[in-house]
Amino acid sequence: QQQVKQSPQSLIVQKGGISIINCAYENTAFDYFPWYQQFPGKGPALLIAIRPDVSEKKEGRFTISFNKSAKQFSLHIMDSQPGDSATYFCAARYSGAGSYQLTFGKGTKLSVIP
Amino acid sequence: DAMVIQNPRYQVTQFGKPVTLSCSQTLNHNVMYWYQQKSSQAPKLLFHYYDKDFNNEADTPDNFQSRRPNTSFCFLDIRSPGLGDAAMYLCATSPWKGGGTDTQYFGPGTRLTVL
Repeated sequence: QQQVKQSPQSLIVQKGGISIINCAYENTAFDYFPWYQQFPGKGPALLIAIRPDVSEKKEGRFTISFNKSAKQFSLHIMDSQPGDSATYFCAARYSGAGSYQLTFGKGTKLSVIP
Repeated sequence: DAMVIQNPRYQVTQFGKPVTLSCSQTLNHNVMYWYQQKSSQAPKLLFHYYDKDFNNEADTPDNFQSRRPNTSFCFLDIRSPGLGDAAMYLCATSPWKGGGTDTQYFGPGTRLTVL
């Protein structure tokens, strides 16, 4: 119930292409869905996030698509650049008693080749 | 800039020698979290503080302890590090507003090596 399933585990995309990472969840109590970008040796950085009552959110080249009925959401990176090469984690937030608990997907290692 | 700071960035310790990692924040968030992240894995929550209330995850080993002397600072103590404790340790913070569009904000991490 608490799992977030993320795919693919790794992704290779050519520069200028579209990168797509998919996540699925089961727990309908999750109330917010952030994506984190992590470069080697660094902490995860919040990239973009979406509320479950919104079907799409776009920030620059990054778009989240959210399908509440299917309990799925995805990250699209348009015009992928070598600098986007990183590990991406989807997460699902549960608002508990006094804290936000995040359940992370297992991560997708994205490599953008010139 | 408001941020989450972790010191040191790299820590080397010997097997069984206690080590303390520190985290500070200028975000004035009332929740602070400690995660362990091993190579190619997602972060794993160890515990968190809501103000001074400590919340331990059920599967966090007793070897890991934490202190939060004030809002800004939080420490992770590893009493007797084993080789399996070598990992990146991440501190994160969040406000608590009971919903809304906030989430956790991570520091840069401390890479712990156990010899």
